[in-house]
Amino acid sequence: QGVLTQPPSLSASPGASASLTCTLRSGIDVGTFRIYWYQQKPGSPPQYLLRYLSDSNRHHGSGVPGRFSGSKDASANAGILLISGVQSEDEADYYCMTWHNGGLVFGGGTKVTVL
Amino acid sequence: EVQLLASGGGLVQPGGSLRLSCAASGFIISTYDMHWVRQAPGKGLEWISSLAKSDSGSGKYYSDSMKGRLTISRDTAKNTLFLQMTSLRVEDTALYSCLSTGGDYDHWGQGTLVTVSS
Repeated sequence: QGVLTQPPSLSASPGASASLTCTLRSGIDVGTFRIYWYQQKPGSPPQYLLRYLSDSNRHHGSGVPGRFSGSKDASANAGILLISGVQSEDEADYYCMTWHNGGLVFGGGTKVTVL
Repeated sequence: EVQLLASGGGLVQPGGSLRLSCAASGFIISTYDMHWVRQAPGKGLEWISSLAKSDSGSGKYYSDSMKGRLTISRDTAKNTLFLQMTSLRVEDTALYSCLSTGGDYDHWGQGTLVTVSS
């Protein structure tokens, strides 16, 4: 089992909200980790969206729309990327990342389809 | 505009070496944690090396999969990150990319393709 687990796919309707999860392996407390989120579209490198440690320690990428936000669900031991008001241009792969045990680790990515 | 431009990839025989470069513009790399990651065809993202920012001690970190075969460094005058790779194997074939974290200009650059084949 990897350190970060993401569901492989998620579908959302335009205008709806989409919540992407990045679950940390059991025994690793999400509360102490800064979670990074990236969006990748075909043929392009991942684009930095935001990073989230806590409500008082977070950063939003320059030019990233405000409909993207980060949070954590401590009960699920997961980082959350919320897309509020999904748009067709949000159809992409989304990756989470964190620093763990002396290196970066990545989730497997979630493919978001806008129906 | 913030940019990270990787170069230096190419076709190399097993056992060969390559030096990858990542030229940065729009920010100062020594004030960021800098990283190399790779993605093999059909595979997920894999971290391979990091160089911490100067005020964090400039620590160097390497993945177990490539430890002993990598050297990460930076040239502050050129604002460029480097990755020296030796004893390359067929399984090292991948797109190698650099990224910056920890500041206002976190960024993921275009990659450079490394193909290890005889």
